[in-house]
Amino acid sequence: TQLLEQSPQFLSIQEGENLTVYCNSSSVFSSLQWYRQEPGEGPVLLVTVVTGGEVKKLKRLTFQFGDARKDSSLHITAAQPGDTGLYLCAGASTSGTYKYIFGTGTRLKVLA
Amino acid sequence: DVKVTQSSRYLVKRTGEKVFLECVQDMDHENMFWYRQDPGLGLRLIYFSYDVKMKEKGDIPEGYSVSREKKERFSLILESASTNQTSMYLCASSFYRAAMNTEAFFGQGTRLTVV
Repeated sequence: TQLLEQSPQFLSIQEGENLTVYCNSSSVFSSLQWYRQEPGEGPVLLVTVVTGGEVKKLKRLTFQFGDARKDSSLHITAAQPGDTGLYLCAGASTSGTYKYIFGTGTRLKVLA
Repeated sequence: DVKVTQSSRYLVKRTGEKVFLECVQDMDHENMFWYRQDPGLGLRLIYFSYDVKMKEKGDIPEGYSVSREKKERFSLILESASTNQTSMYLCASSFYRAAMNTEAFFGQGTRLTVV
């Protein structure tokens, strides 16, 4: 069974600080996605990374896929209260099935 | 605007009841998924479907069944609800099974409480 572990599980920081969230597995994934979920809503896709070593930027958010395609990180620069939410990574299985395997989640709170 | 709609936001049911959770998508997606979300456990896949009348078990199918009679609708059934099925249930859909990098679109979730 492919598993994705995220760390930290909870993070509370002040506005303007930087942070990094990690998503790790012992399994290889064909691609990896990051979602953000706000209270009372379903997760919404932020980015998809496909190639080992790939780096993608979305404004203040930087996503990296590990060289071996087993891990990923999300770095937020100068966090803002609007970044508050639950961040989930999701890996696409390499076994030929169609399902996404979700990580355990990182709950971020940015204080004004 | 793409949409995945779950029939109820909140539901309270009694132990032993048969419970139906409905999900409808308007994007003509082939794939549909049911997840449950519990604190510290992320999203766990219950069942998924890649075509009408086709279904496959996810990681935690025990106590659940599903139905997909039409492409746009995917139903999750709790045959006999139990208190350990109290959770947030999320439905999602995505395009064609071979396109592994496609986005999953989620509904707003149904918070089910079994008493």
